[in-house]
Amino acid sequence: GESVGLHLPTLSVQEGDNSIINCAYSNSASDYFIWYKQESGKGPQFIIDIRSNMDKRQGQRVTVLLNKTVKHLSLQIAATQPGDSAVYFCAEKANWGAQKLVFGQGTRLTINP
Amino acid sequence: GAGVSQSPRYKVAKRGQDVALRCDPISGHVSLFWYQQALGQGPEFLTYFQNEAQLDKSGLPSDRFFAERPEGSVSTLKIQRTQQEDSAVYLCASSLFSGGGTEAFFGQGTRLTVV
Repeated sequence: GESVGLHLPTLSVQEGDNSIINCAYSNSASDYFIWYKQESGKGPQFIIDIRSNMDKRQGQRVTVLLNKTVKHLSLQIAATQPGDSAVYFCAEKANWGAQKLVFGQGTRLTINP
Repeated sequence: GAGVSQSPRYKVAKRGQDVALRCDPISGHVSLFWYQQALGQGPEFLTYFQNEAQLDKSGLPSDRFFAERPEGSVSTLKIQRTQQEDSAVYLCASSLFSGGGTEAFFGQGTRLTVV
């Protein structure tokens, strides 16, 4: 069945360094991808999204890259700050009009001072 | 309120007890979703409402799970005869429109522990 997964369950980086969080997905028909940040005791918070007709999208300190050939998605966070510590999930929708999100397992990002 | 509100934040239920979890979406949001998040896992879709209509309940794990949104605003997720495997965080999300790139806003969740 369709699934969205992550390569690494944990990632530890130094404050000020750049972070890259990876995600592999299996449904080649997926059309829309989203990265969420979840802090302890809180619900997921939208970070950035990308449609399948794009390969790169930039936000404030974040960049999402999509490689449809190998079904790979990544989230780059520039100049990480202590407030970036959280679990990051990639999620997909099967198509633009789909309602439900399919989430991956998540990567815990820890920022070392 | 400014965001999605869920209550209670924490619920401890004895096995076999019925529970009801409440979600107050952002005012005016058409779409409402329920997700279940087990410890250390990503959220898993349970059900979706567009206004008061439940359009997708494919993720509900059994007939013990029931959700409603009778007036197209507040929603309740009910779990009958709770079992230990029901222990999880139940997340509610709402979005202004349905489909497309409409951002879904999540509540803080209700942590259910079945003992």
